[in-house]
Amino acid sequence: KQEVTQIPAALSVPEGENLVLNCSFTDSAIYNLQWFRQDPGKGLTSLLLIQSSQREQTSGRLNASLDKSSGRSTLYIAASQPGDSATYLCAALSSNTGKLIFGQGTTLQVKP
Amino acid sequence: DAGVIQSPRHEVTEMGQEVTLRCKPISGHDYLFWYRQTMMRGLELLIYFNNNVPIDDSGMPEDRFSAKMPNASFSTLKIQPSEPRDSAVYFCASSLVGYYNEQFFGPGTRLTVL
Repeated sequence: KQEVTQIPAALSVPEGENLVLNCSFTDSAIYNLQWFRQDPGKGLTSLLLIQSSQREQTSGRLNASLDKSSGRSTLYIAASQPGDSATYLCAALSSNTGKLIFGQGTTLQVKP
Repeated sequence: DAGVIQSPRHEVTEMGQEVTLRCKPISGHDYLFWYRQTMMRGLELLIYFNNNVPIDDSGMPEDRFSAKMPNASFSTLKIQPSEPRDSAVYFCASSLVGYYNEQFFGPGTRLTVL
């Protein structure tokens, strides 16, 4: 059974810092891994999707990497801003079940 | 495109009442997913459809939950009768040409059952 874990559960950093959010998954049989952002009381916004054959994806200040063999993905945020404050969720799409399995999320606070 | 549309955004009801949540997927998307989010269990897939046909409903918690997709632009999730433990945020998502593609989420319906 696929399990997705995100560490840390919460993170507080000063504005301008570069930071890394971690995601690990137990079953390497995945189609892709997706990173989402969720603001309080809002829905999920897709940030990056990495196909199982890819190693990384970049969008602006965000860079996500994927290492299937070790069951890990990271989301790198460069030059963090207060507007980046939100909960970040990773989700692995199982190629066995076709289901997107979510981690519990990392709540990020960027202080001005 | 307006994105995935869900209604109502908030629903407060009393235990035992029927609740119907609605979703309009992004036009042209052929997969539709219903998720539930709670503090204790996080985000869980309840059911998903492909071309209006339910493919996997193994996440539906009980027979009190049912979902339909009568056409490509509309889906409902019904709870009858509702219970306080059903209180959660329910999300609908859709994807284009295959469930392995990027899923786009609606704003969610926050359900409170008193």
